[in-house]
Amino acid sequence: GEDVEQSLFLSVREGDSSVINCTYTDSSSTYLYWYKQEPGAGLQLLTYIFSNMDMKQDQRLTVLLNKKDKHLSLRIADTQTGDSAIYFCAEGSNFGNEKLTFGTGTRLTIIP
Amino acid sequence: DTAVSQTPKYLVTQMGNDKSIKCEQNLGHDTMYWYKQDSKKFLKIMFSYNNKELIINETVPNRFSPKSPDKAHLNLHINSLELGDSAVYFCASSQSRADGYEQYFGPGTRLTVT
Repeated sequence: GEDVEQSLFLSVREGDSSVINCTYTDSSSTYLYWYKQEPGAGLQLLTYIFSNMDMKQDQRLTVLLNKKDKHLSLRIADTQTGDSAIYFCAEGSNFGNEKLTFGTGTRLTIIP
Repeated sequence: DTAVSQTPKYLVTQMGNDKSIKCEQNLGHDTMYWYKQDSKKFLKIMFSYNNKELIINETVPNRFSPKSPDKAHLNLHINSLELGDSAVYFCASSQSRADGYEQYFGPGTRLTVT
């Protein structure tokens, strides 16, 4: 079955870059996603990448995908206090069935 | 305008009771989902409906029964509630596209079983 792993915690100083890592096991993943969950809120899609891409950049966000190693990362440049949240990676392995398997989530804490 | 809404936001009830959580989306999406997030923030899919038809049913106890009266609504009914059902339940919706799909999540319903 699918398995998606993330580190549980990450602390970064304000203004530095944050790098959140994720590994997955399902080689048939079609899309990989990053979601953000702020306290007491639902999940907000930040970005996603198709499995035949290596990199995607969107303003302060950079997604890197190493399909051979099944490794996905999210880099947040110039991290701000508003970036404090839990970040989930997710993989969609059955396009059409539209099932997402989520990672365990990484809690990002910003140090002033 | 709320895209995916859930009611109630909080639900406190006793063991053995039956309760329902409602979900509505105004995005015109054809697929809706229920997810359960436990106390450790682990998020797992429970059900998915496409145009009112069940397409995903993970290993969820029979006490949980989704109902989709139309493609804009997916309600979750839970019978004989147990302590372990305490969690945050998220509804989501999506629309298939050639370039993938984005699942829009509701704000969640925090269920506490005492």
